[in-house]
Amino acid sequence: NAGVTQTPKFQVLKTGQSMTLQCAQDMNHEYMSWYRQDPGMGLRLIHYSVGAGITDQGEVPNGYNVSRSTTEDFPLRLLSAAPSQTSVYFCASSPTSGRDYEQFFGPGTRLTVL
Amino acid sequence: GEDVEQSLFLSVREGDSSVINCTYTDSSSTYLYWYKQEPGAGLQLLTYIFSNMDMKQDQRLTVLLNKKDKHPSLRIADTQTGDSAIYFCAETPGGSYIPTFGRGTSLIVHP
Repeated sequence: NAGVTQTPKFQVLKTGQSMTLQCAQDMNHEYMSWYRQDPGMGLRLIHYSVGAGITDQGEVPNGYNVSRSTTEDFPLRLLSAAPSQTSVYFCASSPTSGRDYEQFFGPGTRLTVL
Repeated sequence: GEDVEQSLFLSVREGDSSVINCTYTDSSSTYLYWYKQEPGAGLQLLTYIFSNMDMKQDQRLTVLLNKKDKHPSLRIADTQTGDSAIYFCAETPGGSYIPTFGRGTSLIVHP
């Protein structure tokens, strides 16, 4: 299993540009989520999904869109990039049943908005 | 305020024990997790404890849970330079699989 994969690893955008961060998992996990990590702020939840066709907002959803058309994929779209969105973005997945709910994280996408 | 709190930094000497503390407020917490993030990487689960347990040991790692004060801690025995990383405490409330993470504690191990 590849686990959770994210592309791209690095990205530089200009203010106002749009882009999609890709996330995929091959573990058949129902739950997927997007976090951003900023120095001193820890992980902040942007959006999450509990299954195909179901998404919901997290703590900091403004400026981001998500969709979940398949169990495997959970892309994050930046509609009009702003410098405040410069961050490291992590995608994670986990099962929603069983003994525990270990989160499996991707390697991250480092985004800079100029 | 934060649901899960951690101090931001801890500095220890190589070979000493490290104790990373956490505090959570949710009285219905089911699981408490400790994740490790090495530089430039995502988080990886180190260990977890069920909220009705007092202690769990796994090689150099010991998780202690003070249930009364909701105060879990992670002890790393014989800390090595390879243990330098950010350690996140997280909890899931009863009936939910959505974790709440602390801000992370940066562990610095010096010779």
